[in-house]
Amino acid sequence: DGGITQSPKYLFRKEGQNVTLSCEQNLNHDAMYWYRQDPGQGLRLIYYSQIVNDFQKGDIAEGYSVSREKKESFPLTVTSAQKNPTAFYLCASSIGSTNTGELFFGEGSRLTVL
Amino acid sequence: GQQVMQIPQYQHVQEGEDFTTYCNSSTTLSNIQWYKQRPGGHPVFLIQLVKSGEVKKQKRLTFQFGEAKKNSSLHITATQTTDVGTYFCAGRLVGGSNYKLTFGKGTLLTVNP
Repeated sequence: DGGITQSPKYLFRKEGQNVTLSCEQNLNHDAMYWYRQDPGQGLRLIYYSQIVNDFQKGDIAEGYSVSREKKESFPLTVTSAQKNPTAFYLCASSIGSTNTGELFFGEGSRLTVL
Repeated sequence: GQQVMQIPQYQHVQEGEDFTTYCNSSTTLSNIQWYKQRPGGHPVFLIQLVKSGEVKKQKRLTFQFGEAKKNSSLHITATQTTDVGTYFCAGRLVGGSNYKLTFGKGTLLTVNP
């Protein structure tokens, strides 16, 4: 089955620790994204990548880092510099290259920082 | 900055009643998409509107894109319990990155059977 796999689904961390969320897709999509969702809020773009070895900051990139070494993979690191990291994190992909691509989302990773 | 406002934030209806959610942008959009997120789930793409004044239907769902391409609506006729979830609009800014979608905060729909 083609799709996007995020792991872990739930994650608990202590304050001050970095944590890396995994996102893998087998849809052969060029573009990948990370969004953050807080209760009652829309989705806010953290980072996006149009192609391998390239990525761009979204609207709330501070305290996060990403890499795109492979087309299939776009991991997100939540660093200790992120002031309020507890949230639901959604990875998505799209065909890219056009402005009409729909987003395919993974099932999300819920991070709780204690 | 670019904002997409969505109202209402919550809507509770009796099964069989209609439901509408509205989306308004401060600037012109090149296109707008709608997503549905079931409770505990992830957003799932419903539809995309591109043309000014466009209207599209999917069974009981009707989507409209305004003439000025700054607003959009989703109307559900005769709601069912399966319609429960949060409906998000998401727009791409004219002249902006093709990859940046700005999401509204969503409308949470609950349906009383």
